[in-house]
Amino acid sequence: QKEVEQNSGPLSVPEGAIASLNCTYSDRGSQSFFWYRQYSGKSPELIMSIYSNGDKEDGRFTAQLNKASQYVSLLIRDSQPSDSATYLCAVNIVVRSGGSYIPTFGRGTSLIVHP
Amino acid sequence: DVKVTQSSRYLVKRTGEKVFLECVQDMDHENMFWYRQDPGLGLRLIYFSYDVKMKEKGDIPEGYSVSREKKERFSLILESASTNQTSMYLCASSRAGGETQYFGPGTRLLVL
Repeated sequence: QKEVEQNSGPLSVPEGAIASLNCTYSDRGSQSFFWYRQYSGKSPELIMSIYSNGDKEDGRFTAQLNKASQYVSLLIRDSQPSDSATYLCAVNIVVRSGGSYIPTFGRGTSLIVHP
Repeated sequence: DVKVTQSSRYLVKRTGEKVFLECVQDMDHENMFWYRQDPGLGLRLIYFSYDVKMKEKGDIPEGYSVSREKKERFSLILESASTNQTSMYLCASSRAGGETQYFGPGTRLLVL
């Protein structure tokens, strides 16, 4: 069973701080990595995707990937109360049939940004 | 904008009923997925499809079936609904090759 692990939290940070969300995965063949944000009662929406080792920045968000350690993280700088949500890590795992990929999600980390 | 729509936002059914959940995407995506989401268990993949008339079992296919007769439409069928199928059901689509998934708004199903 290919797995994606996240700390369920909640992770509580003060407004303006850096929030650090972490994810580990078991399949060494994984090539695509995603962070989704899900507000309560809503469906997930993509924040970041990352495919290569290193950092990828988009505004206040930075995704970090280390394939050797099978580790992907999301940093949120200058956290705002509106960032309070559940953050889902997803890893695309190769399946044999059709050579396609299927996504495997972690259970999500709940982030609370308090004023 | 990519749009994924689901036939109902809320649904209440009786035990033993046959339930159809429909999902339509307008971006010509090859891949379509059905998940259920339960508190503490995260998103669990029920079935997925990477082409018309193709389907693959996910992690929890028992009690469900799917149909994909057209590229844009992916239906989830509960043959005989049971109370343990009460959940939030999410449909998603993506292009081939492991790209970003786009989710529908979800259907909250209650089976009494």
